[in-house]
Amino acid sequence: AQSVTQLGSHVSVSEGALVLLRCNYSSSVPPYLFWYVQYPNQGLQLLLKYTSAATLVKGINGFEAEFKKSETSFHLTKPSAHMSDAAEYFCAVYGGATNKLIFGTGTLLAVQP
Amino acid sequence: GAGVSQTPSNKVTEKGKYVELRCDPISGHTALYWYRQSLGQGPEFLIYFQGTGAADDSGLPNDRFFAVRPEGSVSTLKIQRTERGDSAVYLCASSKTTNTEAFFGQGTRLTVV
Repeated sequence: AQSVTQLGSHVSVSEGALVLLRCNYSSSVPPYLFWYVQYPNQGLQLLLKYTSAATLVKGINGFEAEFKKSETSFHLTKPSAHMSDAAEYFCAVYGGATNKLIFGTGTLLAVQP
Repeated sequence: GAGVSQTPSNKVTEKGKYVELRCDPISGHTALYWYRQSLGQGPEFLIYFQGTGAADDSGLPNDRFFAVRPEGSVSTLKIQRTERGDSAVYLCASSKTTNTEAFFGQGTRLTVV
């Protein structure tokens, strides 16, 4: 069954440093993958999506992710962190017998001044 | 509407009481999802509708939880005999169809005292 695993429940970076949030997927069919962001006390907002077109996907706020089939990964990156990037990030995949949207456990990103 | 709307935004209820949580999806979206999110956790899948029917209700924790979507638009999540462990943020999302991005509401924060 399809699933996603997020490595690292907490990641801390300095302002201006590279952001790397890891997501590995398990899927027997080509997956539809998503990254969502959740700011404190807010709903989930889509950052970017992979739907079997280009393997490098660009999203909002300078984030991007690369689909690597050989590594079953869809890691989220941003070259230079801003204080405003501090939030929780969730990787998600459509999967299961009924093709429902399944989320990872999330990674809380802290950005230090 | 412009986005997914959930009401109420906050609900405090006494243990043992019945509650209803409402979700108004984006117009024209056939898929509607309910998730539960506890502090520090990812969204936990509860149930998903395609049109009026529940395509997958495997995430409902027990028979105290029930959801309906009688006209294929608005959905209501119903919880009977609430317990303190039901306290969480209940999220609703809708998408045009499966395998497409899901848009989330702001959630209903349920507190059972």
